[in-house]
Amino acid sequence: KAGVTQTPRYLIKTRGQQVTLSCSPISGHRSVSWYQQTPGQGLQFLFEYFSETQRNKGNFPGRFSGRQFSNSRSEMNVSTLELGDSALYLCASSLGAAGPETQYFGPGTRLLVL
Amino acid sequence: SQKIEQNSEALNIQEGKTATLTCNYTNYSPAYLQWYRQDPGRGPVFLLLIRENEKEKRKERLKVTFDTTLKQSLFHITASQPADSATYLCALYNQGGKLIFGQGTELSVKP
Repeated sequence: KAGVTQTPRYLIKTRGQQVTLSCSPISGHRSVSWYQQTPGQGLQFLFEYFSETQRNKGNFPGRFSGRQFSNSRSEMNVSTLELGDSALYLCASSLGAAGPETQYFGPGTRLLVL
Repeated sequence: SQKIEQNSEALNIQEGKTATLTCNYTNYSPAYLQWYRQDPGRGPVFLLLIRENEKEKRKERLKVTFDTTLKQSLFHITASQPADSATYLCALYNQGGKLIFGQGTELSVKP
């Protein structure tokens, strides 16, 4: 089975711009979660989508949004970029069943905001 | 709110020794806890899950303990190898159903 893929792998943007990141989950997985990882804050949960619906949300401003498509692929959008948005953005997929699940992470998209 | 604390200082050990990493949590009593490994430039990889009633779990050279009284999990790697060098993250589901991670502990195994 192919793993979780994320595109693009690297991105450079300037302040005020917006960006869209893409995540393709493992085939058959219906849950996609997004995380932001920075050296100072570590891995922080952004949101989770399951069957095209946002099931859970972290404590990030409304500039961070996402969606999921019927094939479970997910996109994350950040508008009005700030310098502090520079980070590694990771998505993880799972089956989406109730209870604890293994999260399968993609390689991440490294975003640099100048 | 729930908080996870891992030793932020890197752990340096000699090949063949046992590495022990600590994960402490507060303000919550999770039913299960997970451990992940992350290599530089890569996403975390799941290693082990332990439930509150299991106390200890093993997988090859890995061992995890879960002490719900101390609110602590210990992660051991026996007979450590340079290939075990990585950052190790513990994670738990909080009351809101979100998987939250500790900051991770960087392990370096010297030959």
